[in-house]
Amino acid sequence: AQSVTQLDSQVPVFEEAPVELRCNYSSSVSVYLFWYVQYPNQGLQLLLKYLSGSTLVESINGFEAEFNKSQTSFHLRKPSVHISDTAEYFCAVSDLTGFQKLVFGTGTRLLVSP
Amino acid sequence: NAGVTQTPKFRVLKTGQSMTLLCAQDMNHEYMYWYRQDPGMGLRLIHYSVGEGTTAKGEVPDGYNVSRLKKQNFLLGLESAAPSQTSVYFCASSYDPGRPYEQYFGPGTRLTVT
Repeated sequence: AQSVTQLDSQVPVFEEAPVELRCNYSSSVSVYLFWYVQYPNQGLQLLLKYLSGSTLVESINGFEAEFNKSQTSFHLRKPSVHISDTAEYFCAVSDLTGFQKLVFGTGTRLLVSP
Repeated sequence: NAGVTQTPKFRVLKTGQSMTLLCAQDMNHEYMYWYRQDPGMGLRLIHYSVGEGTTAKGEVPDGYNVSRLKKQNFLLGLESAAPSQTSVYFCASSYDPGRPYEQYFGPGTRLTVT
């Protein structure tokens, strides 16, 4: 079984500042890793994913995450945040069984203020 | 493309009442999932389906039943609602060969059981 830990329930940050949202996972088998974003009163949207290959993955809106197998981490970073990045961010893992089930962390609420 | 739609958006039930939540997707996806989202707990998988006519239990299946009679629809039933089932319910679908392991989420159903 897999589990995901997001230690920070809320991260306040000023606009244009850098941010890191932490994610650690536990699994006895190889996993795929994901970050999903949930804007207020909406469903979740995939932000980025690591399946294989380069350990650094990027999204179209400037976020990036790096898979670190030795530290079992997949932290999400952005060098300069915008007000519009205010949302809840979920880290998730999936094993390689093929049914694509996700195990989610508890989420981190990113609050960007002017 | 409407993507993933959920009906209803909001519902209030009394303890012991029953209801069915409907999820529909128009992307011809094989896999469909039902999650519940509770504060501080992230999303937890209730049931999932890997094809028409098949269903399987997820992490928190007790008190819920599901059916997948048509590929595009996935129904979640509560036979006798309890206050512990107050939650936001999300449906998701996946298995697009061009975008592996990406789950597409509906907008959610907010259910309150009094």
